[in-house]
Amino acid sequence: DAKTTQPTSMDCAEGRAANLPCNHSTISGNEYVYWYRQIHSQGPQYIIHGLKNNETNEMASLIITEDRKSSTLILPHATLRDTAVYYCIVRVSNNDMRFGAGTRLTVKP
Amino acid sequence: GAVVSQHPSWVICKSGTSVKIECRSLDFQATTMFWYRQFPKQSLMLMATSNEGSKATYEQGVEKDKFLINHASLTLSTLTVTSAHPEDSSFYICSANRAVQETQYFGPGTRLLVL
Repeated sequence: DAKTTQPTSMDCAEGRAANLPCNHSTISGNEYVYWYRQIHSQGPQYIIHGLKNNETNEMASLIITEDRKSSTLILPHATLRDTAVYYCIVRVSNNDMRFGAGTRLTVKP
Repeated sequence: GAVVSQHPSWVICKSGTSVKIECRSLDFQATTMFWYRQFPKQSLMLMATSNEGSKATYEQGVEKDKFLINHASLTLSTLTVTSAHPEDSSFYICSANRAVQETQYFGPGTRLLVL
């Protein structure tokens, strides 16, 4: 699976949009981009995934660049409960997930 | 949505004893289940992959005789930590693939403390 690079930590003001970047310059054509988050002492929670097109669901939006070498997870209106470690993972569907260090997002009042 | 449960949520045991952790997919059949381990302030590390009715595939460095995995049905996988030692204390997390959508869903984790 392709490796990903994410900032170690980010802060965001409550109510503002949180934009979390992820670089995956060695991604292959059949690899999906997945985003999960892990709130302290809990199992990872699935957020969203995509292959080429931008995706949106009730939790977030995923913007994938045209060359697919990077992506951005957008939480449109961050709340204090969105404070977590966010993991960007690229993988071929149905293969195991390989977690990197992720980005620790802190939403501040 | 897809729900994965784990039992127990936490366990404390004496060194040398064995501990069994259950992972269940509650509302879907999981063709593949995964076991991860997470030490404090570290990321998740994949330990093994199991398919229903077949032997688990272990990651390099994970002792298969110490971490026994049984995937007896499409909704249940168990991880048994045999002869547990204090260094096995960790947060163990399972996940399961929902066959159709193939997104991996994670359980809430089991915290193991070996005294």
